[in-house]
Order: sequence, then structure tokens, then C-alpha cells
Amino acid sequence: LAKTTQPISMDSYEGQEVNITCSHNNIATNDYITWYQQFPSQGPRFIIQGYKTKVTNEVASLFIPADRKSSTLSLPRVSLSDTAVYYCLVLANQAGTALIFGKGTTLSVSS
Amino acid sequence: DAEITQSPRHKITETGRQVTLACHQTWNHNNMFWYRQDLGHGLRLIHYSYGVQDTNKGEVSDGYSVSRSNTEDLPLTLESAASSQTSVYFCASGNSGNTIYFGEGSWLTVV
Repeated sequence: LAKTTQPISMDSYEGQEVNITCSHNNIATNDYITWYQQFPSQGPRFIIQGYKTKVTNEVASLFIPADRKSSTLSLPRVSLSDTAVYYCLVLANQAGTALIFGKGTTLSVSS
Repeated sequence: DAEITQSPRHKITETGRQVTLACHQTWNHNNMFWYRQDLGHGLRLIHYSYGVQDTNKGEVSDGYSVSRSNTEDLPLTLESAASSQTSVYFCASGNSGNTIYFGEGSWLTVV
């Protein structure tokens, strides 16, 4: 099971790009990297998932280096509504693996 | 649309009572999970299942049980509710290697 490590908190201002890095040194060959966003009193919401290189969707980009031991979630031009907790999770592509969440990164966006 | 639903959304119960939280998904996902999240903290895995008749203990399984008699449902039972089990409970489902989706949460207060 790949353990993840990410910063506890980050601060930003509206309009800036925010990059949150997650380390997962013991990621397995078939594991996927997934990021979730959670607002207070809500369940985590899927943001983006990737296996290698770069993935982009309408919300964010995910950069994964060749060794896959880390990943970076990039949020372009954040707004106040992006204030949330962001979790990095390594999903094993095999049954029987527990999905353990880390403490996540609390992003605070100010005006 | 396929979805994952939890019930009840809010419940107040007394210490010592048995409580069951329901989780139902219509995606036909093999994998289902129960997490608890205490105020200001991250998600902690209680139990998980990777298929019918399969159940596994997570990080904080003491005092909780689950059963998986069909693909769609994974009810969580608190055998004898304690004040320490006051929390918000999230159910999630997914298939191996793919993203998991969370329900909206069940707020449980044990008095």
C-alpha cells in the first residue's frame, strides 16, 4: 500500500496558480494517482486521475514524473470557491487493497 | 443516473443502542468503503468490501460491522453506540483501479 505525503496547508490569492505536490515513494507499477477535493460537510469529490506524464481536464492538471514517486496537482487561477481540503490517493489496480486517505492539504484562497 | 445514497442523513441515538447506516449504489461497483470523519480531521477507513460476501477491517473497525449480501448495499452497524462514535460517516464505491465516488454523508450523534 503506497503511503502518501502532502503539505498540511497552503495559502493563495485569487487568480494565482496553485501547485500541490504529493509524494508516494512506494507506488506500485499498476497503481493510479487520484486527487479529491472536499468542502466542509460534503463528501470528497473526484478531481483528476492519472498514471503517468500529464493529464488535464476542465478543473485541473496532474503532472506525474517518469519515476511516479510524486505527483503535482495544478489548479489554474484559483478562486475563493477553491478553498477546500485536497487529498492525494494512490489507487491499487487490484482487489483487496484498503484505500487509506492521508491528512490532505487545506488550501485557503484569499481575495 | 447511477448514484450512491446514504440513509439516514442525520440521526441522534442513545449510548448502547444498535444503529445501522445504509449505503446503496447503483453503479454495480464491486468495491465499497465506509469512512468516518471527525470534525477538523481526515477520513479514516472503517470497513471495506471487494465483492459480495467479502468484508475487511480498516483502520478503525472496533465497534463496527458490515455485511455484503449483494453488490448494491453495504450497511454499517454500530453494535452498541458510544459517544466516541459521534461523527460523520461517508460511504464510497468504485471498481479496482478506478476512481471511487462518495455519498453525501450520514451525521450521527450519540448522546
